[in-house]
Amino acid sequence: AQSVTQPDIHITVSEGASLELRCNYSYGATPYLFWYVQSPGQGLQLLLKYFSGDTLVQGIKGFEAEFKRSQSSFNLRKPSVHWSDAAEYFCAVGGSNFGNEKLTFGTGTRLTIIP
Amino acid sequence: GAGVSQTPSNKVTEKGKYVELRCDPISGHTALYWYRQSLGQGPEFLIYFQGTGAADDSGLPNDRFFAVRPEGSVSTLKIQRTERGDSAVYLCASSKGLAGGETQYFGPGTRLLVL
Repeated sequence: AQSVTQPDIHITVSEGASLELRCNYSYGATPYLFWYVQSPGQGLQLLLKYFSGDTLVQGIKGFEAEFKRSQSSFNLRKPSVHWSDAAEYFCAVGGSNFGNEKLTFGTGTRLTIIP
Repeated sequence: GAGVSQTPSNKVTEKGKYVELRCDPISGHTALYWYRQSLGQGPEFLIYFQGTGAADDSGLPNDRFFAVRPEGSVSTLKIQRTERGDSAVYLCASSKGLAGGETQYFGPGTRLLVL
């Protein structure tokens, strides 16, 4: 069965500092990987996704993620965070036949930004 | 364009009652998904539809939960004999199809509280 682990429940960074959120997955085949962001009162918004090809994926809002098969990881990065990045971040893996039928999410990482 | 909408946004009910939660997907999206998000957790897959048929309902926790999508557009999640443990945010998502490259777009959710 597929699974996702986000080892950091809560991360605090200063505005302007770099960010890395960790994600490890378990999946038997080539995974379909996603990062979503959830702000208070907002729905989940897709930041980026990986299906194949280049292992470094660029997303919206200046985020990127790198797929490392040898480490079963898909960490999310941003070189300089803004106060508006404060939110809950979820990593997810897609499975079954098409890669998109159902997503398995991690428990999330809450990001706090301090001035 | 309009995103995924869900009604009601909040629902308070008493233990043992029946509830219906509605999801309006993005126009033209053939795939529709239901997830449940408990406090402090990531979303958990419940069921997904391709067209009118439930293609995978393996995430429904028990037979008190049922979902329909009779015309291939709007979907209703139905919960019978509600229990306090059913309290959660119920999320709906839709996508153009099931291919791995398709994005799941999420609605704002329905917050269900069972007293």
